Amino acid sequence: SQTIHQWPATLVQPVGSPLSLECTVEGTSNPNLYWYRQAAGRGLQLLFYSVGIGQISSEVPQNLSASRPQDRQFILSSKKLLLSDSGFYLCAWSDETGGYNGELFFGEGSRLTVL
Amino acid sequence: GNSVTQMEGPVTLSEEAFLTINCTYTATGYPSLFWYVQYPGEGLQLLLKATKADDKGSNKGFEATYRKETTSFHLEKGSVQVSDSAVYFCALNTGGGNKLTFGTGTQLKVEL
Repeated sequence: SQTIHQWPATLVQPVGSPLSLECTVEGTSNPNLYWYRQAAGRGLQLLFYSVGIGQISSEVPQNLSASRPQDRQFILSSKKLLLSDSGFYLCAWSDETGGYNGELFFGEGSRLTVL
Repeated sequence: GNSVTQMEGPVTLSEEAFLTINCTYTATGYPSLFWYVQYPGEGLQLLLKATKADDKGSNKGFEATYRKETTSFHLEKGSVQVSDSAVYFCALNTGGGNKLTFGTGTQLKVEL
């Protein structure tokens, strides 16, 4: 069966410090991968998605970047965190066929607090 | 562009009460529609979906009908339980890649 894990689960970082959140998927090949952010009092915002190794699409301009060094690994990074980067970050995967299936499988989430 | 509008929460109900969470959408083309649920401290999981007009998605006692004429996909349950307390997200997808557009979420609190 397929599983998705992301870590760390909780992170408290000072403004200006770097960030690295990792996500790995097991039990499937060539998944589509996604990073979403859920800010306090707001809905889910798609930040990045990837259809393959090294292929990253950014949905919104921001202080963050994403990389996919391996088929089932997706990393969210920042060189210098801002207060506005605080939020709950969710990694997700879907079947490569895409289309109208719509079923995303989410990780447990990483709560980032920037102070 | 695509958008999803949900009723604001929190919605607080007593156990066994009837639940409705409204969701309307704006989309180009013919979207597929979804409800996701997020239990406390967890990621989201798919609750139900409908891929064409008049389809009814159902799961765990929850139902939602795809109404094209009113561009709505309201979530309903006849008798809620304390364990249904969670945040519910309505979402749509109009194209490939599963890049879903989510609503802002509606928090449901069910009390004894």
